[in-house]
Amino acid sequence: KAGVTQTPRYLIKTRGQQVTLSCSPISGHRSVSWYQQTPGQGLQFLFEYFSETQRNKGNFPGRFSGRQFSNSRSEMNVSTLELGDSALYLCASSPLGDRGTYNEQFFGPGTRLTVL
Amino acid sequence: AQSVTQLDSQVPVFEEAPVELRCNYSSSVSVYLFWYVQYPNQGLQLLLKYLSGSTLVKGINGFEAEFNKSQTSFHLRKPSVHISDTAEYFCAVRAAGTALIFGKGTTLSVSS
Repeated sequence: KAGVTQTPRYLIKTRGQQVTLSCSPISGHRSVSWYQQTPGQGLQFLFEYFSETQRNKGNFPGRFSGRQFSNSRSEMNVSTLELGDSALYLCASSPLGDRGTYNEQFFGPGTRLTVL
Repeated sequence: AQSVTQLDSQVPVFEEAPVELRCNYSSSVSVYLFWYVQYPNQGLQLLLKYLSGSTLVKGINGFEAEFNKSQTSFHLRKPSVHISDTAEYFCAVRAAGTALIFGKGTTLSVSS
């Protein structure tokens, strides 16, 4: 079974631009989560989607948004990029969606975003 | 809300020596606990998890962790490390229906 795939793997943008990152979950997984990883802040939760609905949201400004499609693929968008948005963006998928159960998350390799 | 503290940012150790990576968590509700490993330029891989039951959890690559509820700790151990264990290790906590919260990470450096 193929793992979580993220495209593109590397991206260079300039301040003020916007960017869209894509995540394809493991086949059959319906939950997708996004994380930002930086040397200073570590791994920070951005948002979680299940069946096209945002279920949890981290403490990020409104410039960060996401969505999930009916095939469970997910995209996240960052508008008006700032230098501090340079980071590794990780996507993770989970097989289950029941809020009352534990969800093991399987991570993709990430997208390395550099903002100049 | 939950939080995780990894007590050591860097742990240098010689090959074949034992190692312990420390993790403490804070939560007012029951949680699930995890350890992940990240090799350079890769995503995170699950090492082991504690959901319930036995407090000693065994994972992949010879790692194990012990859940201590009274001390709110979930330390990761390996009796004998290899060069290939050099990586960053993350402790994480999750309550039912909430997001996965990570610690800042511990860099394990194994030298010969």
